[in-house]
Parts: sequence; structure tokens; C-alpha cells
Amino acid sequence: GAVVSQHPSWVICKSGTSVKIECRSLDFQATTMFWYRQFPKQSLMLMATSNEGSKATYEQGVEKDKFLINHASLTLSTLTVTSAHPEDSSFYICSAEAQGRETQYFGPGTRLLVL
Amino acid sequence: GQQVMQIPQYQHVQEGEDFTTYCNSSTTLSNIQWYKQRPGGHPVFLIQLVKSGEVKKQKRLTFQFGEAKKNSSLHITATQTTDVGTYFCAGTNAGGTSYGKLTFGQGTILTVHP
Repeated sequence: GAVVSQHPSWVICKSGTSVKIECRSLDFQATTMFWYRQFPKQSLMLMATSNEGSKATYEQGVEKDKFLINHASLTLSTLTVTSAHPEDSSFYICSAEAQGRETQYFGPGTRLLVL
Repeated sequence: GQQVMQIPQYQHVQEGEDFTTYCNSSTTLSNIQWYKQRPGGHPVFLIQLVKSGEVKKQKRLTFQFGEAKKNSSLHITATQTTDVGTYFCAGTNAGGTSYGKLTFGQGTILTVHP
């Protein structure tokens, strides 16, 4: 149990385009989902916390207008990188937390390369 | 804000040698979790420690949570090549504005030479 999927697994796009990444909890309901970004050989940096039916809470330094997060249901959260630039190239990972549990289950991640 | 420091950054060992990574938090933690990330992969949950002074074992892996709930360690006995990867600790703050969020340590990259 506790499987989280992410789609797509990798994406290459041109600078200026928008990219949507989906995060799904497959066998449990996730009241909270988290979005992380990881640069090569670095740790995971929390970008935002997403609660179903409410606005996401962004970490300091993360532009909410650039990284749009939608958590429309208990099993799906999406991250849209708007007007992507090469510096946005990174490994984006989501995690999902079931209600009443503090363990986060991570998706397989999405590698974004912006040319 | 909460900071979680992890050392060492890198560790190279010969297969069969032991390995330990240490984690220290600037604040008291509600719990600490450990993850393993293989090269090119995503973090995989290993274990969660909640109680002060708690010790848990998983085969060759031993996890400890400090009495003050501010530090933790992961010890691997007799490393194998399959242990290769980056080990992250991640803490949940006991209170304050960052309650419930995981703060990750920088990770320790383990390489094992056969």
C-alpha cells in the first residue's frame, strides 16, 4: 500500500512554455501533499504544502505565481511550472501524507529539462 | 527556521566495513524519518523514530533517536554494494510555524567498493 505516482517521469520543454506535473496517491487518500525540488547532489527542498480544497502554502523564496499548485481531490495534486526557464530544470518530487499519519510517501519524481 | 544538519556529506567504504551517518536538528523534533535514495531514483522511506532514546533495527541497519529528540543516527553493519545511495534524515518539528513539515538533512552519499 501507500503508492504515489507521478506523471510525467521526465519532460523536456522549450524556454517560456508551461509544464504540468501530476501527483496521485493510488491506494489511499492524501489530505496533504508536498512538492519538493532537488538539484543534482543536493537535498530535497520543500517548495509548498498542498491541502485538498485549499490554497497551497509556499515556502519562502518560492514564487507562487510561477509554481501553480492545485489539489482538487484527495488523490491528485498538480504542479504547473509556468513560463519555464533553464534555471527551473530540476528533479521535482511530490509526496503524500495520509490523514492522521506523519509518514510521507514519495512519488518517483519528474525530471524537468528546460532548453 | 528549523535546520537539520547531516554528516558526513560523503562516505566511501570497503565492502564489509561499517557505516554511520549522523543527523542534528537545531530544534526539538516530533519525530525523525530516514530515507534512502538510490542514484537516479527517488527517496524511499526506511523508518520513523518517535520516542526519546528509541532504537530500531532493520537487519543490518540500526537507527537511534537521541534522548533530547534533536539528533539521530543510522548505522549500517558490514556494508554491501546494494547499500550504495544517499541516506537522508528528515525531521518533523515539534511545534511552531513549521509543525508537521519535513525538513531534510543534506544527505550522506555512501559508496561501497567491492
